[in-house]
Amino acid sequence: EPEVTQTPSHQVTQMGQEVILRCVPISNHLYFYWYRQILGQKVEFLVSFYNNEISEKSEIFDDQFSVERPDGSNFTLKIRSTKLEDSAMYFCASSDLGGARDTGELFFGEGSRLTVL
Amino acid sequence: DAKTTQPTSMDCAEGRAANLPCNHSTISGNEYVYWYRQIHSQGPQYIIHGLKNNETNEMASLIITEDRKSSTLILPHATLRDTAVYYCIVRVSLGNQFYFGTGTSLTVIP
Repeated sequence: EPEVTQTPSHQVTQMGQEVILRCVPISNHLYFYWYRQILGQKVEFLVSFYNNEISEKSEIFDDQFSVERPDGSNFTLKIRSTKLEDSAMYFCASSDLGGARDTGELFFGEGSRLTVL
Repeated sequence: DAKTTQPTSMDCAEGRAANLPCNHSTISGNEYVYWYRQIHSQGPQYIIHGLKNNETNEMASLIITEDRKSSTLILPHATLRDTAVYYCIVRVSLGNQFYFGTGTSLTVIP
């Protein structure tokens, strides 16, 4: 069964450093998403991406965050200058909206745990 | 933001049906009800969704009330592996992102 894959599974970084989290969505999907979950808290929407541009973003997704689809397979989340409060699990998701199975279902990856020291 | 209300936690005996309620009293006519679950800190997993008709798949059944203001997810024969946080989400048509609430933490007891 096709799946969303994320790397790295865990990254430890120093405050102020740049971090790039990578995702490979399911190949025929058109919509891509990033969510985050701070330990013990709910899953929070960050950003959605379609047709090579951001379609929606939350208040959390400020100027420190950016997303990119650098090639036909990868979808990345960059945090320019990490803060302690960026420590969280980051989930990538993709969807085949408009595709043959058009259920609106989001397929999530297993997450990248970011620890900022 | 989340437009649903769910109990914080529930227990269910292994082998019995788990019935997880959700209130979505402000739901609009074009909003779907989706259910996801999250086992430990894994990525959320899709379970089922519906608009106004009851739905069933290999994982669960979804019962939506006639006025669509509430729904119930039914896991017919709960197993220990069903212990997870279950999220009820309403979503405007297809094309918008999901907003997760705090969900129901279901514990299946041996």
